[in-house]
Amino acid sequence: GNSVTQMEGPVTLSEEAFLTINCTYTATGYPSLFWYVQYPGEGLQLLLKATKADDKGSNKGFEATYRKETTSFHLEKGSVQVSDSAVYFCALSVVDDQFYFGTGTSLTVIP
Amino acid sequence: KAGVTQTPRYLIKTRGQQVTLSCSPISGHRSVSWYQQTPGQGLQFLFEYFSETQRNKGNFPGRFSGRQFSNSRSEMNVSTLELGDSALYLCASSGKLAGGLNEQFFGPGTRLTVL
Repeated sequence: GNSVTQMEGPVTLSEEAFLTINCTYTATGYPSLFWYVQYPGEGLQLLLKATKADDKGSNKGFEATYRKETTSFHLEKGSVQVSDSAVYFCALSVVDDQFYFGTGTSLTVIP
Repeated sequence: KAGVTQTPRYLIKTRGQQVTLSCSPISGHRSVSWYQQTPGQGLQFLFEYFSETQRNKGNFPGRFSGRQFSNSRSEMNVSTLELGDSALYLCASSGKLAGGLNEQFFGPGTRLTVL
């Protein structure tokens, strides 16, 4: 079946620290992979995506590379800011099937 | 292009009542998915509608139902409300990426409180 396993949180970092949130997946087809972010009191927003192996999605300083050999899509940012405090969700989608989301990782960045 | 809209944004009901939530997808999107988000269970998939037909369904009791209209707007209904139904209900509409794969866009959610 299809599923996403995401690093447990919460994660607390100091401003300008390096961020990694691990995400691995299992899929019956050839999935697209996504990272979504949810700020307090809001819905989810698409942060970045990758649709095929070795693709790198990037946005707002965040990056993730679609690794088919390790079935992973880890989220990274070189220098986090207080404004990056949010909950991050890894997700996958295969054609005509539902989206599968990870459990979410809460990130708090302290000044 | 207008985003996904959900109404109402906040709702307070009492146990045993029923509730209907509405979602208007992005123009041109034909797929609408519903999720329940709670602190304890995270994001749980309820169901997906595509061209007025339920295409995928999560593991929720029959008290949770939905429908989609010809203009792609969707409603979800919860009957005989329980305290545990208190949650943020999120709607997402899907457009197609190249190759037929989906990308979901979320609305702001409806916060349901059951007293």
